[in-house]
Amino acid sequence: QSVLTQSPSVSAAPGQKVTISCSGSSSNIGNNYVSWYQQLPGTAPKLLIYTNNKRPSGIPDRFSGSKSGTSATLGITGLQTGDEADYYCGTWDSSLSAGVFGGGTKLTVL
Amino acid sequence: EVQLVESGGGLVQPGGSLRLSCAASGFTFSTYWMSWVRQAPGRGLEWVANIKQDGSEKYYVDSVKGRFTISRDNAKNSLYLQMNSLRDEDTAVYYCARDNYYASDYWGQGTLVTVSS
Repeated sequence: QSVLTQSPSVSAAPGQKVTISCSGSSSNIGNNYVSWYQQLPGTAPKLLIYTNNKRPSGIPDRFSGSKSGTSATLGITGLQTGDEADYYCGTWDSSLSAGVFGGGTKLTVL
Repeated sequence: EVQLVESGGGLVQPGGSLRLSCAASGFTFSTYWMSWVRQAPGRGLEWVANIKQDGSEKYYVDSVKGRFTISRDNAKNSLYLQMNSLRDEDTAVYYCARDNYYASDYWGQGTLVTVSS
């Protein structure tokens, strides 16, 4: 059971928009920065979003992040088949003094 | 180019030990926090431990406290994870990651640890 809660799966058609949510508590998302990662099949995770809403160099602006209270959201617009992957949110938990991840959301682009 | 290369994984019996290494290059290793993250087969990511630039602060997930030790050698640009008293549930791919702006911005390719008799 993950400290951060994500829906197990989401799907949408190519070209459409999808949002992936991540729910936590005041000890983690509520008082710490959220990051998002993309993991393509058989590969290492890749950073998509850091400090809630910033994109590293090279990440297209189709990917966006936001945070409100104890929840965070990853948005992906203009879906492509290459976006099919598992997506994870992550943050620090001040009560646990440990990093925490969501259980992951599998994105299917139909 | 930032590179992180893990090594040291393999098959070990329950109760055994392994030491993972992560060789870093392409950045000033001594100025970054570093982390270990693992992923059991078919499962999600699990944060394991991290360590401050000078090694003075270390944090662990509860399930490995007292069994795993994270360390680093800044002179050798290397990160380590000493794993003792290994259990079946420690079976996973272990990733080394660089921490930057409260996130892990570069990851290694991972090394597989299999705990089985």
